Amino acid sequence: AAGVIQSPRHLIKEKRETATLKCYPIPRHDTVYWYQQGPGQDPQFLISFYEKMQSDKGSIPDRFSAQQFSDYHSELNMSSLELGDSALYFCASSARQFYEQYFGPGTRLTVT
Amino acid sequence: AQTVTQSQPEMSVQEAETVTLSCTYDTSESDYYLFWYKQPPSRQMILVIRQEAYKQQNATENRFSVNFQKAAKSFSLKISDSQLGDAAMYFCAYRNSGTYKYIFGTGTRLKVLA
Repeated sequence: AAGVIQSPRHLIKEKRETATLKCYPIPRHDTVYWYQQGPGQDPQFLISFYEKMQSDKGSIPDRFSAQQFSDYHSELNMSSLELGDSALYFCASSARQFYEQYFGPGTRLTVT
Repeated sequence: AQTVTQSQPEMSVQEAETVTLSCTYDTSESDYYLFWYKQPPSRQMILVIRQEAYKQQNATENRFSVNFQKAAKSFSLKISDSQLGDAAMYFCAYRNSGTYKYIFGTGTRLKVLA
């Protein structure tokens, strides 16, 4: 079965640079979620989109923005990167009528 | 605000034995969902089992089952016939029916001893 695809899988950036993470949901899933997981921590919800509209917002810094496109893929844009942004970023998707989220493999972002 | 608590940072179990991971949550909502996710060393988050709050019957998926006590706000995961591949971090998660986001507990690292 098709899974959530995230790219890139690994990304190294310097402080104050920008990064763009991409997420391709499971086919026919219309809801996308972004989570940040720091080392040894639990995943923290950042933001979600349903049918290309922002549906919920968590602890997403103002330096970050995200959107969902007409083909339902989503991008997380991160600007003015800080060392503390180094983490594993998960994207998950779900079908509106179901409630479980399926996670992608994550993008490991390292800020040096 | 809702919270999820996993009080066991680490657990060990002998291969083929049974282990129970604890999870408690706090909410004033009546309609919600609970999940257990497994995160092996690959860091992939894998859905193990889910429970709807309105269902009294405990969910079961092969060797995995839950003990859902709604009044006590407890949601424990039982793994029977533990296998080496069960070794992972296990996260308990909560979601209100009217929202999209999950709230995760801090996780329990499960070690399986051969």
